[in-house]
Amino acid sequence: DAKTTQPPSMDCAEGRAANLPCNHSTISGNEYVYWYRQIHSQGPQYIIHGLKNNETNEMASLIITEDRKSSTLILPHATLRDTAVYYCIVRGPNQGGKLIFGQGTELSVKP
Amino acid sequence: NAGVTQTPKFQVLKTGQSMTLQCAQDMNHNSMYWYRQDPGMGLRLIYYSASEGTTDKGEVPNGYNVSRLNKREFSLRLESAAPSQTSVYFCASGLGSGLNTEAFFGQGTRLTVV
Repeated sequence: DAKTTQPPSMDCAEGRAANLPCNHSTISGNEYVYWYRQIHSQGPQYIIHGLKNNETNEMASLIITEDRKSSTLILPHATLRDTAVYYCIVRGPNQGGKLIFGQGTELSVKP
Repeated sequence: NAGVTQTPKFQVLKTGQSMTLQCAQDMNHNSMYWYRQDPGMGLRLIYYSASEGTTDKGEVPNGYNVSRLNKREFSLRLESAAPSQTSVYFCASGLGSGLNTEAFFGQGTRLTVV
């Protein structure tokens, strides 16, 4: 699995967009980018994933650069409940579906 | 729909004691996983089962054994608990290998070894 690099922490004002970057410069052509978050040591929660196209769902948007070496998770209108650790994970198709977590980014949404 | 259920939620063990952490999923998923999370750290994969009848080591398998009892259940056993195994343990399940779908996590078992 390709390694990912994320900033250890970020702040965001409530109501503003939160843009969380992730570097995955060694990603292979068949590896997906996944985002999960973990709130208050609960079980991680799936947010979104993508291969090469930008993706959007009810929680967030995922922007993947054309060379696929980095991506950005966007929470369009952050709320206090979005305060969590956000994990960017690269996963290949033939590894038992396992997810290898890094240290993630601790996002603090402030009023 | 319960999703992924872990039991127990909390446990205190003495050094050298054994115990089994239970995990069950009701989503008909092929793959199941056990992770541990130490304070202030990310999750680390202990063992996983890509499909019923198979198990494989993850990043930190030493001191643990697993059993994929059937498609629903995947247990984690500590044969002789050590203080270094004090952690929060998470079970997860997913459709599995080759499929670009998400994994679902349980709420964790908080284990303290004294």
